[in-house]
Amino acid sequence: QQPVQSPQAVILREGEDAVINCSSSKALYSVHWYRQKHGEAPVFLMILLKGGEQKGHEKISASFNEKKQQSSLYLTASQLSYSGTYFCGTAEKTSYDKVIFGPGTSLSVIP
Amino acid sequence: EAQVTQNPRYLITVTGKKLTVTCSQNMNHEYMSWYRQDPGLGLRQIYYSMNVEVTDKGDVPEGYKVSRKEKRNFPLILESPSPNQTSLYFCASSLSPQQGWTYNEQFFGPGTRLTVL
Repeated sequence: QQPVQSPQAVILREGEDAVINCSSSKALYSVHWYRQKHGEAPVFLMILLKGGEQKGHEKISASFNEKKQQSSLYLTASQLSYSGTYFCGTAEKTSYDKVIFGPGTSLSVIP
Repeated sequence: EAQVTQNPRYLITVTGKKLTVTCSQNMNHEYMSWYRQDPGLGLRQIYYSMNVEVTDKGDVPEGYKVSRKEKRNFPLILESPSPNQTSLYFCASSLSPQQGWTYNEQFFGPGTRLTVL
């Protein structure tokens, strides 16, 4: 079942912070985060495998709340290069090798 | 350079004319997958393959076929394309459980933009 992402779109000024949420109605084995810049292929950011786990990538980090079946991606002190569409992908505990992607969150960072 | 390649990158065709989009990876990945991307719908999986001669349907397989005769190649076949298959297609690959992955980071190809008239 496709995860839900919120917000659908967000506009930030450089230096501002943002949070993107991803939630599922199913028990999750893992959550994956990808970023896709305009006209390019999605690129892997990070994966979270355990409930409560937090990972970091530059100034981008994420958390995974297994009980709530949701994950959040945190972008701090945003840079122009962070603009793009962010996808979460979820793998359910009953089919952990199959990742289903959410509809994406469009993030625009302006000067 | 480790990469996933797709050809063609752009294709305009007409309804009913069979076409094949090729996908190749040089990372010795056993897992390969095809996605289509449409505005507001994200990436939807069409077919995937866990290894040579092993393929399975994803979420939107209708109207598509795949084959996996070699580990590196995973072509997508549209036997009779229709306008609702106009989309941006991505091929992706990753390690498989048999290759000892603990997480399956997927590497995506550059995409193929298909228009069916």
